[in-house]
Amino acid sequence: AQTVTQSQPEMSVQEAETVTLSCTYDTSESDYYLFWYKQPPSRQMILVIRQEAYKQQNATENRFSVNFQKAAKSFSLKISDSQLGDAAMYFCAYWNTNAGKSTFGDGTTLTVKP
Amino acid sequence: EPEVTQTPSHQVTQMGQEVILRCVPISNHLYFYWYRQILGQKVEFLVSFYNNEISEKSEIFDDQFSVERPDGSNFTLKIRSTKLEDSAMYFCASSGGGLAGGPETQYFGPGTRLLVL
Repeated sequence: AQTVTQSQPEMSVQEAETVTLSCTYDTSESDYYLFWYKQPPSRQMILVIRQEAYKQQNATENRFSVNFQKAAKSFSLKISDSQLGDAAMYFCAYWNTNAGKSTFGDGTTLTVKP
Repeated sequence: EPEVTQTPSHQVTQMGQEVILRCVPISNHLYFYWYRQILGQKVEFLVSFYNNEISEKSEIFDDQFSVERPDGSNFTLKIRSTKLEDSAMYFCASSGGGLAGGPETQYFGPGTRLLVL
């Protein structure tokens, strides 16, 4: 079974600075997708960014980018120019293409200091 | 922009009662899911549904749970006899298929917060 590990329960960053959230996963599959979701206090799950395992190029979405290291099974999220609205719980998720479901990490709570 | 909606946003019920959580997935999506998140814990997969049948379910999804797509728009999760440990946030999600893309990119609803007393 796949596992997703987020080793940082909490992180903080100063407004306008950059922060990196870590995620590692374990799988024997070759075809999969990885995602970062943001969960603000409202508890809505918001898709931040996705990465296809077969693509070497790291995904970017505006201030959000990933560092995907397939051999190391690492998938970190970098948030540049952090804003107060970025404060939330961030979940890393692995999509199992064969089983058709996602496995989530435990989450990292990000605090943004003004 | 299309979104997944869920009703009710909050539900309080007595242990042993039946509850039905409702979801309206994005209209051209073909894959539907339920996940749950116990307060302070990770999001856990419950069940996936495609082509009018369950395609995958977790160990959590026992005989007390059922899902249904009663019409072309709604997707429901029924818990027959609720237990205290069923208290959680329940998220519905949908994903594409066909012209809407692959099933891997799931869009989540805002969740239903279920409290069992």
